Amino acid sequence: GAGVSQSPRYKVAKRGQDVALRCDPISGHVSLFWYQQALGQGPEFLTYFQNEAQLDKSGLPSDRFFAERPEGSVSTLKIQRTQQEDSAVYLCASSLPGGGDNEQFFGPGTRLTVL
Amino acid sequence: AQTVTQSQPEMSVQEAETVTLSCTYDTSESDYYLFWYKQPPSRQMILVIRQEAYKQQNATENRFSVNFQKAAKSFSLKISDSQLGDAAMYFCAYRLTGAGSYQLTFGKGTKLSVIP
Repeated sequence: GAGVSQSPRYKVAKRGQDVALRCDPISGHVSLFWYQQALGQGPEFLTYFQNEAQLDKSGLPSDRFFAERPEGSVSTLKIQRTQQEDSAVYLCASSLPGGGDNEQFFGPGTRLTVL
Repeated sequence: AQTVTQSQPEMSVQEAETVTLSCTYDTSESDYYLFWYKQPPSRQMILVIRQEAYKQQNATENRFSVNFQKAAKSFSLKISDSQLGDAAMYFCAYRLTGAGSYQLTFGKGTKLSVIP
């Protein structure tokens, strides 16, 4: 697998349930990003990791959202006590280290539906 | 804060014809990157073309080219010889340059339909 993979591809949760979304970045990519894409909208930045360090979490919409990347590879986005407004596609992207010249490669996303 | 605006929610083009998608942005920075991404129904975002703001020459990638007007803060995408596989959502995006510059700011997208 040469690309970014995400699992599950689809997740249905009842309001109030906790969910965990997984991202496997491209091997060797130290930078990892999470974006949230609401229906009919463009992706919005949630958080950024460089290796295991979460350098920016300014886009996380509430303290119910939590992301981790403990070994600097796989990342998990956790949403606690899901609400209907959390329904969206969650995209993960990875890139080589460095500044803005490096391309972000996106995964296929996880579509979360909260009932 | 930087913003990206795509004023065309939907566009259509006849196969083999040319179409132009519009994008404007707002920033106080002088150096940045601009991107066009394609998102087919599979949801996988694919980079189509990239432009560095300090380069005056418009970027070109095969059938895709941009018209970058820095003073007007405009960044349009031209698709020539449109193909059925070009049908998708297209997003314009912005990112600052330099160390620590990483997050992309996206517009709301333009849905492109290609008519056989």
